[in-house]
Amino acid sequence: AQTVTQSQPEMSVQEAETVTLSCTYDTSESDYYLFWYKQPPSRQMILVIRQEAYKQQNATENRFSVNFQKAAKSFSLKISDSQLGDAAMYFCAYRSRREYGNKLVFGAGTILRVKS
Amino acid sequence: NAGVTQTPKFQVLKTGQSMTLQCAQDMNHEYMSWYRQDPGMGLRLIHYSVGAGITDQGEVPNGYNVSRSTTEDFPLRLLSAAPSQTSVYFCASRPDRARGYGYTFGSGTRLTVV
Repeated sequence: AQTVTQSQPEMSVQEAETVTLSCTYDTSESDYYLFWYKQPPSRQMILVIRQEAYKQQNATENRFSVNFQKAAKSFSLKISDSQLGDAAMYFCAYRSRREYGNKLVFGAGTILRVKS
Repeated sequence: NAGVTQTPKFQVLKTGQSMTLQCAQDMNHEYMSWYRQDPGMGLRLIHYSVGAGITDQGEVPNGYNVSRSTTEDFPLRLLSAAPSQTSVYFCASRPDRARGYGYTFGSGTRLTVV
């Protein structure tokens, strides 16, 4: 079974600085998707960025980018120019492209605090 | 287009009571799932459905029941509530054809069992 590990329970960053959230995963498959979700205090789950495993190029969405290292099974999220609104819980998630049901497997989450 | 709608947003149950958490989506999504979120454990899959009339168990199915009689609705039933089922519950959906996309989530239901 696939597993996702987020080793940082909490992180802090100064406003306007850059922070990197770590994620590693374990799978025997070669075809899959990886996601970062943001959960602010409102509890809503918001998709931040996604990466397809067959693409070597790292995904980027405005201030959010990933460092995808397939061989190392690592998928870190970099937030540049951090803003107060970035404060939230961040979840890394994996989804097989082939497995029936295409279920999401989540990490335990990282709480990001942004200091002004 | 409301997306994924969950009701209720909050609920308190007594041990042994039963209830149904409602989930409805208006995006004609084939895939729907129920997750529970507990501190330090992320979200764990309870049950999922790949289309009307088709459901299957996830990682933590015990104590829960689902059905999918229509594409739009995917209710989650707690048969006999236990304190261990105190959690935040999320319903999520996605279209089968957009296989590269993540799921769209509802706003969650916070359930407390006393």
